[in-house]
Amino acid sequence: GQQVMQIPQYQHVQEGEDFTTYCNSSTTLSNIQWYKQRPGGHPVFLIQLVKSGEVKKQKRLTFQFGEAKKNSSLHITATQTTDVGTYFCAGRNNYGQNFVFGPGTRLSVLP
Amino acid sequence: DTGVSQDPRHKITKRGQNVTFRCDPISEHNRLYWYRQTLGQGPEFLTYFQNEAQLEKSRLLSDRFSAERPKGSFSTLEIQRTEQGDSAMYLCASSLASGDLDTQYFGPGTRLTVL
Repeated sequence: GQQVMQIPQYQHVQEGEDFTTYCNSSTTLSNIQWYKQRPGGHPVFLIQLVKSGEVKKQKRLTFQFGEAKKNSSLHITATQTTDVGTYFCAGRNNYGQNFVFGPGTRLSVLP
Repeated sequence: DTGVSQDPRHKITKRGQNVTFRCDPISEHNRLYWYRQTLGQGPEFLTYFQNEAQLEKSRLLSDRFSAERPKGSFSTLEIQRTEQGDSAMYLCASSLASGDLDTQYFGPGTRLTVL
């Protein structure tokens, strides 16, 4: 079945440093979503990417979808303590409607 | 509060007992998803409904798990003969799917502990 992997598993950064998490799928995706989960909270939708090579920006966050639609990345510029949490990618393939979530990247930001 | 709600928030049960969880989605959302999440892992898909129809069910889901969405609004997830391995956070999400866009709004979850 479809597998979604994310690296790194953990990332500790100093406030103001940049952060990137990478997501890779074993199968071609029809679209990919990114979610953020704060400690003790539930996943919150950030963005959805659909087109090959698509790049979207939300303030300090930049999301990319690979040309082959099998990988994606999330880059945060100049991290802040409010960015703390676990970032999940979730991919949907061409055969079903369910999303397969990656294991997440847990971000810690030191003030 | 017009978000997704789940009840109960916490459930402690003994092994072998049956449990039932409820999810109330955002009004008029046509899709409803159930996920299971364990510590340090991403949400694992269990099943999903389009209105009242259950369209997909994970192959990982044993026959002890069943879900319903009788009127296309709230949904219930029942686990029969619970096992310690069922201990997890059970998350519900709803969406108003339109074309490719399917933004899922998650509820706070029900934390199940099986003793």
